[in-house]
Amino acid sequence: ETGVTQSPTHLIKTRGQQVTLRCSSQSGHNTVSWYQQALGQGPQFIFQYYREEENGRGNFPPRFSGLQFPNYSSELNVNALELDDSALYLCASSFLGFQETQYFGPGTRLLVL
Amino acid sequence: DQQVKQNSPSLSVQEGRISILNCDYTNSMFDYFLWYKKYPAEGPTFLISISSIKDKNEDGRFTVFLNKSAKHLSLHIVPSQPGDSAVYFCAASPSGGGADGLTFGKGTHLIIQP
Repeated sequence: ETGVTQSPTHLIKTRGQQVTLRCSSQSGHNTVSWYQQALGQGPQFIFQYYREEENGRGNFPPRFSGLQFPNYSSELNVNALELDDSALYLCASSFLGFQETQYFGPGTRLLVL
Repeated sequence: DQQVKQNSPSLSVQEGRISILNCDYTNSMFDYFLWYKKYPAEGPTFLISISSIKDKNEDGRFTVFLNKSAKHLSLHIVPSQPGDSAVYFCAASPSGGGADGLTFGKGTHLIIQP
């Protein structure tokens, strides 16, 4: 059983640029969620994908978007980067309806200059 | 407005003693609660959960207690071990489907002293 993997591990971008972060779900999981963790804060829910459709979203603007692919891998795209987007981005996979099986990847550390 | 609050940023406990981590919530719609443990440079790891229909759930050294009337839950670790040193996050969800995501507290840094 493979765990959740994310790439890249670290990334530096400048304000106004666009970024794509990638996640590979745990084998057999059909749902992927993305979270943003700012320094000193807990993770904040961005959105969730199930069967390649967004089925839940937190309080994040439309410039945060995502994709889920048939093999359940996922992307998080952020357009028009702002300094406040600097954070650890976490991907978590699970079976729909079973939060307790929400397995997190190690995260991607994004720094926006 | 923080809906899940962990008011102790850090907690120091002697090895072998009980560690008690606390969490308060304000949203009455929350009905499922989880604790996660996080080491540096790793993602959060699921520890234990509890549904609002229960007031206690136990798994080995870890026990979670839920007081719905007080909107309070706690995680007890007995006995505490050096490997328990980590940041612990309390999380809550209003639905069984997970489409609303988990709402996390800011975390408590637990330090187990030898």
